[in-house]
Amino acid sequence: AQKITQTQPGMFVQEKEAVTLDCTYDTSDQSYGLFWYKQPSSGEMIFLIYQGSYDEQNATEGRYSLNFQKARKSANLVISASQLGDSAMYFCAMREGTSGGSYIPTFGRGTSLIVHP
Amino acid sequence: DAMVIQNPRYQVTQFGKPVTLSCSQTLNHNVMYWYQQKSSQAPKLLFHYYDKDFNNEADTPDNFQSRRPNTSFCFLDIRSPGLGDAAMYLCATSRDWPGSQETQYFGPGTRLLVL
Repeated sequence: AQKITQTQPGMFVQEKEAVTLDCTYDTSDQSYGLFWYKQPSSGEMIFLIYQGSYDEQNATEGRYSLNFQKARKSANLVISASQLGDSAMYFCAMREGTSGGSYIPTFGRGTSLIVHP
Repeated sequence: DAMVIQNPRYQVTQFGKPVTLSCSQTLNHNVMYWYQQKSSQAPKLLFHYYDKDFNNEADTPDNFQSRRPNTSFCFLDIRSPGLGDAAMYLCATSRDWPGSQETQYFGPGTRLLVL
């Protein structure tokens, strides 16, 4: 079974609108971390935002926020006020982290976001 | 200011001709990773070093080798590249301990073309 599921292969959004990219995860660990990365066409993976499983508040970083619903095991990325430069692939990733557990991140298949004027 | 550096950014090699990709970091992180990423796919972990300990993924072909001479540098050697090895190769680092949830820092990648 996939540990990270991104069900949207592609998304389109109008400039200045908000967009939500979906991510669901599967783990039996109580302690884990969720990450979102942006990968523009140049190829570099850019860290955007992190949510810890024990964090009670949703993480925010500028225009990025993470809608964390622990019971549903979802960690959706919300981009507010989309810009043309937001066009990229977006990857959701998870690290499961109890002592002795694997620290290797698991990546989803990604969502391609296109922002049009 | 660069933290994870990969050289070269673009590499063209011939079928069967050995090639080495390099990665260096200024973060003093103890873990370094090599990923292979093909078009429109998620990065696929090839192997990683936890300090000096080498960890190979079970499905990484023997054709791929790695060296980490010191904390800062890590190399990916492809002994006999095939056409199927054409991809983006990403190096990443992180500061890790059991249970850590630190993010990975990625380099800009090396695009490998095999002719």
